[in-house]
Amino acid sequence: DIQMTQSPSSLSASVGDRVTITCRASQGIRNSLAWYQQKPGKVPQLLIYAASILQSGAPSRFSGSGFGTDFTLTIRSLQPEDVGTYYCQKYDSAPWTFGQGTKVEIK
Amino acid sequence: EVQLVQSGAEVKKPGESLKISCKGSGYRFIDYWIGWVRQMPGKGLEWMGNIYPGDSDTRYSPSFQGQVTMSVDKSFSTAYLQWSSLKASDTARYYCARHLGTFDIWGQGTMVTVSS
Repeated sequence: DIQMTQSPSSLSASVGDRVTITCRASQGIRNSLAWYQQKPGKVPQLLIYAASILQSGAPSRFSGSGFGTDFTLTIRSLQPEDVGTYYCQKYDSAPWTFGQGTKVEIK
Repeated sequence: EVQLVQSGAEVKKPGESLKISCKGSGYRFIDYWIGWVRQMPGKGLEWMGNIYPGDSDTRYSPSFQGQVTMSVDKSFSTAYLQWSSLKASDTARYYCARHLGTFDIWGQGTMVTVSS
């Protein structure tokens, strides 16, 4: 099975900082990669799909890129409401594996 | 509004059985797979399996095969996740989500606590 590895596991940044999270697949998955945001105590929400397409309603400061095995989620200017854990997920084929998550905090 | 509404929190003893539910509304329920995702306390998201309400086709993650059973009652637009004999390690929040590759609509989650 394809493994999804995120880095870093956690990060602390200041409001307004540019934040980058990476997700690496152990084999190529084309652009079949989604990102989810889970705020503390809340339900996960789809943020980006097809590696770079912003889900309707998601703030434009979020962007995604990548193809094949290496993917990136970028927050252009970190806001207090962005605190939470971010997960990547492959969806080229089953199993629909999630990365282990990246916890984002405000410094 | 498209939504999935899950049944309420459960507290059970080891060895007991349990069935939790996930009711869809605001869309044609039988046309979309429903996935189940486990989140153990303080941990990440784990895909458990999917069921297609149109024909009850079910796909389990190897990690959960034989541990749980997924079912659906399309006349009630409801999917179910059940255990025949719970273990303490089943303590987690369980989410259902509409699955089209991505999980685009999530239920609010059902917290299951298994403790003697």
